[in-house]
Amino acid sequence: AQSVTQPDIHITVSEGASLELRCNYSYGATPYLFWYVQSPGQGLQLLLKYFSGDTLVQGIKGFEAEFKRSQSSFNLRKPSVHWSDAAEYFCAVGGRGSNYKLTFGKGTLLTVNP
Amino acid sequence: GAVVSQHPSWVICKSGTSVKIECRSLDFQATTMFWYRQFPKQSLMLMATSNEGSKATYEQGVEKDKFLINHASLTLSTLTVTSAHPEDSSFYICSASRTGSGNTIYFGEGSWLTVV
Repeated sequence: AQSVTQPDIHITVSEGASLELRCNYSYGATPYLFWYVQSPGQGLQLLLKYFSGDTLVQGIKGFEAEFKRSQSSFNLRKPSVHWSDAAEYFCAVGGRGSNYKLTFGKGTLLTVNP
Repeated sequence: GAVVSQHPSWVICKSGTSVKIECRSLDFQATTMFWYRQFPKQSLMLMATSNEGSKATYEQGVEKDKFLINHASLTLSTLTVTSAHPEDSSFYICSASRTGSGNTIYFGEGSWLTVV
């Protein structure tokens, strides 16, 4: 069965500081990996995804993530955080083929201090 | 770009009544849609996979008779919460996959259900 672990429930960073959100997955083969962001009371917005190819993936809003097969990780990074980045971040893993059923991690709440 | 829309965005209903939530893919066809449920400050839990023209596939522990899913067309899936109870109050989100676009998965804006 596929699973996702986001070890950090809540992270606080100062505006302008760098950010790394951790994500570890369990899947029997090469997975599809996603990072989504959710503002309070809102739906999910896709930040980036990994399907194949280059293991360093660029996303929207200046985010990037690196797929490391040896570590079963897909950590999200941003070099300089903006106050508007404060939100809940979810890592998700999905199976290949026509079934895009996703399993989500429990999320990491990001707080940005001015 | 592709958009998945949910309606209503929020709904309040009385205990014992039924409420229907719609999920539409606005500019693409989706043979498969997914329904998730999210409790406050928690992650999303997959409820069921909605397949156009066939029965939905429910995840373990999800009551089929309580959460009725209908996928009548390639652009519309509906979730009906029957005989709603306060514990059904939650945020319900649907998603749809668009093939041919890098297998991107799009999520709706979500629907808040409050049962009083």
